[in-house]
Amino acid sequence: GAGVSQTPSNKVTEKGKYVELRCDPISGHTALYWYRQSLGQGPEFLIYFQGTGAADDSGLPNDRFFAVRPEGSVSTLKIQRTERGDSAVYLCASSPLGSYEQYFGPGTRLTVT
Amino acid sequence: GEDVEQSLFLSVREGDSSVINCTYTDSSSTYLYWYKQEPGAGLQLLTYIFSNMDMKQDQRLTVLLNKKDKHLSLRIADTQTGDSAIYFCAVYTGTASKLTFGTGTRLQVTL
Repeated sequence: GAGVSQTPSNKVTEKGKYVELRCDPISGHTALYWYRQSLGQGPEFLIYFQGTGAADDSGLPNDRFFAVRPEGSVSTLKIQRTERGDSAVYLCASSPLGSYEQYFGPGTRLTVT
Repeated sequence: GEDVEQSLFLSVREGDSSVINCTYTDSSSTYLYWYKQEPGAGLQLLTYIFSNMDMKQDQRLTVLLNKKDKHLSLRIADTQTGDSAIYFCAVYTGTASKLTFGTGTRLQVTL
């Protein structure tokens, strides 16, 4: 079946602009996670949704970052007033109810110039 | 918080076994994972082990867990060129919903 998909695959934006990154989880998966991977590093947790609600947003670096999942499926990660330090690959993962397996999408590479 | 460490690089010859090591700090870690990342691609879940197990084997992959030393290893038998990638160790604790990843080990397979 289809895996986790993320759009766009690449995004180049200017410093100070607003961006939205989209994640389509595997159908039926109730849990959705966002991670950020900087060059040469492992992914770092940003936020976790169980259904429509953000169950844990402790990894969001500051209030410029926000994520929603209004219908419990697709999620959008929103970054306001982008900074060059936001440049990274943003990864989305999903997991079925009761499972500890997280399945990752291909990521969105964000470059802030 | 949890800290997960891996060596940065490993080079092996095709046909040999590879052993990738990982150490972690949180003794309450319940699930421990190995992911594979190829250039420009996302993370592929290879295998995982529950903390009440010492070993798990899945085809060419063997995972060993030493809870006392908080040490996890991944052995790849008969390593092939297609195994060249970055391998990430990740741990999950029951008190947090997230995975904590190591910095990854780059496996290079030479002919």
